[in-house]
Amino acid sequence: AQSVTQPDIHITVSEGASLELRCNYSYGATPYLFWYVQSPGQGLQLLLKYFSGDTLVQGIKGFEAEFKRSQSSFNLRKPSVHWSDAAEYFCAVRNSGGGADGLTFGKGTHLIIQP
Amino acid sequence: NAGVTQTPKFQVLKTGQSMTLQCAQDMNHNSMYWYRQDPGMGLRLIYYSASEGTTDKGEVPNGYNVSRLNKREFSLRLESAAPSQTSVYFCASIQGNRNQPQHFGDGTRLSIL
Repeated sequence: AQSVTQPDIHITVSEGASLELRCNYSYGATPYLFWYVQSPGQGLQLLLKYFSGDTLVQGIKGFEAEFKRSQSSFNLRKPSVHWSDAAEYFCAVRNSGGGADGLTFGKGTHLIIQP
Repeated sequence: NAGVTQTPKFQVLKTGQSMTLQCAQDMNHNSMYWYRQDPGMGLRLIYYSASEGTTDKGEVPNGYNVSRLNKREFSLRLESAAPSQTSVYFCASIQGNRNQPQHFGDGTRLSIL
């Protein structure tokens, strides 16, 4: 079964600074990978996804992520964070083959933005 | 442009009561899902339905039942609510291809006393 690890429970970043949120996955084949963001009291919004091709994917709100097969990682980056980026971020993997469906999520990283 | 609609948004139950959470999507999606979100646990899959008339268990199905009423609607039922089922419940849907992202509703916040 696949699994996702987000090693950082909380991250604090100054406004305007760069950001990297880590995500490691466990899956036998090439996975389908997603990053979602959740603002307090809200549902989940897709930031970006990877399923094949270029390993650097661009998303909404200035985010990007890089798929590194050798490291089983899919880290999320942003060159300059804004106060509105404060939220919970979830990395998720989906089975690309047959069998059980559904997303497997990491436990999330809570992003705090300092003024 | 509703997307995925969940009702109710909030609910408080007493232990042992039953409740059905409703989910409807207007995107003509084939697959629908129910997740629960608990602090520090991320989201965990309860049940899913790959198509109308089919349902399958996810990671944490115990204590729940589901019904795929038609292509639009997928309900989650708690027959005898327990405090451990206090959570935020999210419904999601997808057209069918596994490389496509799931669309999520805004959630139902359920407290069981």
